[in-house]
Amino acid sequence: DGGITQSPKYLFRKEGQNVTLSCEQNLNHDAMYWYRQDPGQGLRLIYYSQIVNDFQKGDIAEGYSVSREKKESFPLTVTSAQKNPTAFYLCASMRTATSNTEAFFGQGTRLTVV
Amino acid sequence: GQQVMQIPQYQHVQEGEDFTTYCNSSTTLSNIQWYKQRPGGHPVFLIQLVKSGEVKKQKRLTFQFGEAKKNSSLHITATQTTDVGTYFCAGGATNKLIFGTGTLLAVQP
Repeated sequence: DGGITQSPKYLFRKEGQNVTLSCEQNLNHDAMYWYRQDPGQGLRLIYYSQIVNDFQKGDIAEGYSVSREKKESFPLTVTSAQKNPTAFYLCASMRTATSNTEAFFGQGTRLTVV
Repeated sequence: GQQVMQIPQYQHVQEGEDFTTYCNSSTTLSNIQWYKQRPGGHPVFLIQLVKSGEVKKQKRLTFQFGEAKKNSSLHITATQTTDVGTYFCAGGATNKLIFGTGTLLAVQP
């Protein structure tokens, strides 16, 4: 089945530790996106990638890093510099970056930092 | 930066009542998309509107794109308990989608 997969579904980390969230898609989509969701705040864009080996900061990139070495993969690292990392993280992909196509979302990763 | 606001933030209705959520952008959009997120789930695409003044219907759902392409609305007629969830609009911007703040719909049987 084609789709976009995020893992793990739940993740717990101690404060001060870096953590990497996985996002893989087999839809052959060029564009991939990371969003953060907090209660009552909708989806906020962290980073996005229009094509392999290229990525841009979104609205809330501070404390996060990404890579796009393969078309299928767009991992997100939450670093210790992120002041409030506990949130629901959603990865999405689109056929192209022109935004005139629908976004497909993964199941999300709920990160809790204690 | 570009912002997309939605109102209301939350609405509670009795089953059978109508529901409307409104989406407003600070800038002109190339297109508007609507997504539904069930509780505990992820956003799922519902529809895309591209033309100024466009109206589309999906069964009990009616979507409208404003003439100036800066606002949109989603209207649900005769809500059902299966309509429960958060409805997001998303505005097309250069190489990305800007999501609205969402409207959480609760339906009481």
